Amino acid sequence: DTEVTQTPKHLVMGMTNKKSLKCEQHMGHRAMYWYKQKAKKPPELMFVYSYEKLSINESVPSRFSPECPNSSLLNLHLHALQPEDSALYLCASSQAPPGGSQETQYFGPGTRLLVL
Amino acid sequence: GQNIDQPTEMTATEGAIVQINCTYQTSGFNGLFWYQQHAGEAPTFLSYNVLDGLEEKGRFSSFLSRSKGYSYLLLKELQMKDSASYLCAVRRQAGTALIFGKGTTLSVSS
Repeated sequence: DTEVTQTPKHLVMGMTNKKSLKCEQHMGHRAMYWYKQKAKKPPELMFVYSYEKLSINESVPSRFSPECPNSSLLNLHLHALQPEDSALYLCASSQAPPGGSQETQYFGPGTRLLVL
Repeated sequence: GQNIDQPTEMTATEGAIVQINCTYQTSGFNGLFWYQQHAGEAPTFLSYNVLDGLEEKGRFSSFLSRSKGYSYLLLKELQMKDSASYLCAVRRQAGTALIFGKGTTLSVSS
C-alpha cells in the first residue's frame, strides 16, 4: 500500500480566511513533503519534514505554516493568502529523509485551492 | 543553476513505442526519477535510476547515463490511458529533495 491521503480535495477561501490542509500516510514513512503546483508547471517544493522536524523550507512566505503533529500527519496552515496562491497543493512521503537510498516519493491526490 | 530539460509535448499512436528524453545539469547527482501525472491528479511514481543502464518495469523502461547527464523513459505498446504528463526529477545530493523538470505532455491517439 502506497497511499497518501489529503483533505480537503477542493478548497475555496477568501484572503482573510484561515484554513488548514491535511495529509496522512500510514506507510511508516519518516519524510513528508509539501509541494505547490500551478497549472502546466512542475511541482515546486515548499517544505520537507524529516522525523517530524522541519528540515527544508524553500523560502516560503509566512502565510504558509507547516506542522507535523506526528509521524503520520502533516498539516499546512493557511492565513491571509493571495489570489496568486491558488494552485494544487501536493503532499508526498518517502521512507527515508532526502539523501537516503529509499526515498522514492509517493504523492497524495492533492488539494485544489482557490483564493478569491 | 539547476537545469532539467524535457520536450514540452509529444504525440504518438496506440500500440507504438515512444521515448521521452531528459537531460540534466545539476550540482551533484544522487538519483533520477520519472513520474506520470494525469491532468488534475497527483504524480505517480514510475521508475528510479541511480546507476547507468536500463531499468525495465513492464511496458515502461528508464535509462540513465550519468556521464552524459541524460535519461529517457521508454513506453511500449502505447495505450490511450498513457496520455499524461511525464515528469523527470533529479535528486542532487544528500539533504536535498527532488527538482522536477517541466514535464512532457504525451498525447496518444487511436
